[in-house]
Amino acid sequence: SYTLTQPPSMSVAPGKTARITCEGSDIGSKSVHWYQQKPGQAPVLVLYVDRERPSGIPERFSGSNSGDTAALTITRVEAGDEADYFCQVWDSGSEHVVFGGGTKLTVL
Amino acid sequence: EVRLVESGGTLVQPGGSLRLSCAASGFTFRNHWMSWVRQAPGKGLEWVANIKQDGSEKHFVDSVKGRFTISRDNAQNSLFLQMNSLGVEDTAIYYCVRDHLLWFGVSENWGQGTLVTVSS
Repeated sequence: SYTLTQPPSMSVAPGKTARITCEGSDIGSKSVHWYQQKPGQAPVLVLYVDRERPSGIPERFSGSNSGDTAALTITRVEAGDEADYFCQVWDSGSEHVVFGGGTKLTVL
Repeated sequence: EVRLVESGGTLVQPGGSLRLSCAASGFTFRNHWMSWVRQAPGKGLEWVANIKQDGSEKHFVDSVKGRFTISRDNAQNSLFLQMNSLGVEDTAIYYCVRDHLLWFGVSENWGQGTLVTVSS
């Protein structure tokens, strides 16, 4: 079955840039979506189809996807960005939605 | 405003059954694929199942195949998850999810979830 690998955690200082990676075999051939989940809340879609932002998501959130690595980049990180971030794809081979294990972003 | 309200979560014994419901409003329910996603306590997200607009196509994660059934009632704007032969590993918050209208597999809107606890 298809698997997505994310770093379990990362930390960044306010005002700096956070880049959260999501690795999967030939993930560049798939559309990757990203979700933000704050403690006690439901997940929120922050990027879809690699780099598209839903309405209400700041331009500070951007995405890339090539080869075996997709990434969510958050520039000018704020305290309010502290959350768990999950990547997701649809694996057509297995007809399954697959989530990465999640990355806990800590703002120092 | 899109609203997804789950219900039916409770404490159930191993081997038991449970039916979750999701009441949808604020959008044309019959136009969207719908999904269930769960999250075990302190763990990540796990997709459980999804269902096509007219109910003619369904997909399940391997761990629930043969035990869970997904269905919908477009007249009542409702989504359901019938869970049988429950095990402790099924303990989780279950989220009802509306998929993006144009992009398959994009979980655009989430309910607040309903907690299912499987324990003796």
